[in-house]
Amino acid sequence: RKEVEQDPGPFNVPEGATVAFNCTYSNSASQSFFWYRQDCRKEPKLLMSVYSSGNEDGRFTAQLNRASQYISLLIRDSKLSDSATYLCVVTNYNQGGKLIFGQGTELSVKP
Amino acid sequence: GAGVSQSPRYKVAKRGQDVALRCDPISGHVSLFWYQQALGQGPEFLTYFQNEAQLDKSGLPSDRFFAERPEGSVSTLKIQRTQQEDSAVYLCASSLDVGMDTEAFFGQGTRLTVV
Repeated sequence: RKEVEQDPGPFNVPEGATVAFNCTYSNSASQSFFWYRQDCRKEPKLLMSVYSSGNEDGRFTAQLNRASQYISLLIRDSKLSDSATYLCVVTNYNQGGKLIFGQGTELSVKP
Repeated sequence: GAGVSQSPRYKVAKRGQDVALRCDPISGHVSLFWYQQALGQGPEFLTYFQNEAQLDKSGLPSDRFFAERPEGSVSTLKIQRTQQEDSAVYLCASSLDVGMDTEAFFGQGTRLTVV
């Protein structure tokens, strides 16, 4: 079993839709949590950090449930430019801060 | 440069050939990570440096893989006697330090194809 698991994709949605991605992690010692975005044939880039209190950045909302070891990302009013692969990431600074990635969920937003 | 730079961007190697992949991290970044990304998968951790010290090499898949960062800046990932299963994108990332919410910045990767 992988340490970080994500919803299998791809997600195909129309413009303006709301889409939710889910992620679970197995290491209860994980300390920090992130969503990265990766465009086709590009490098991953940080989208947002995820906090227990939940955090929002424009159309994007991230949630963390430490008890369930569950992370989510909600995208409202999706745009064509949101099409990408979304990677759930956890890290444990006692292990040097290496990022542990999920396999990624591909999102395709159609006109 | 402003970001993490990797070279070459593309490498085709014949099976059995040795390859060397270079990473130039952001100036002043203490931490440096190497990842391997197969098609359709998320990046898989290979190894981690803090300055010149290799603190974690638990992800290196075999003893054919070797990484170094002798002066605490540029790093090289070497793969000896390449095999077809080594075909992947090799990503390098650097961060200012290790700590809560320290952002890691990735290079564009080296796409290795072993034929």
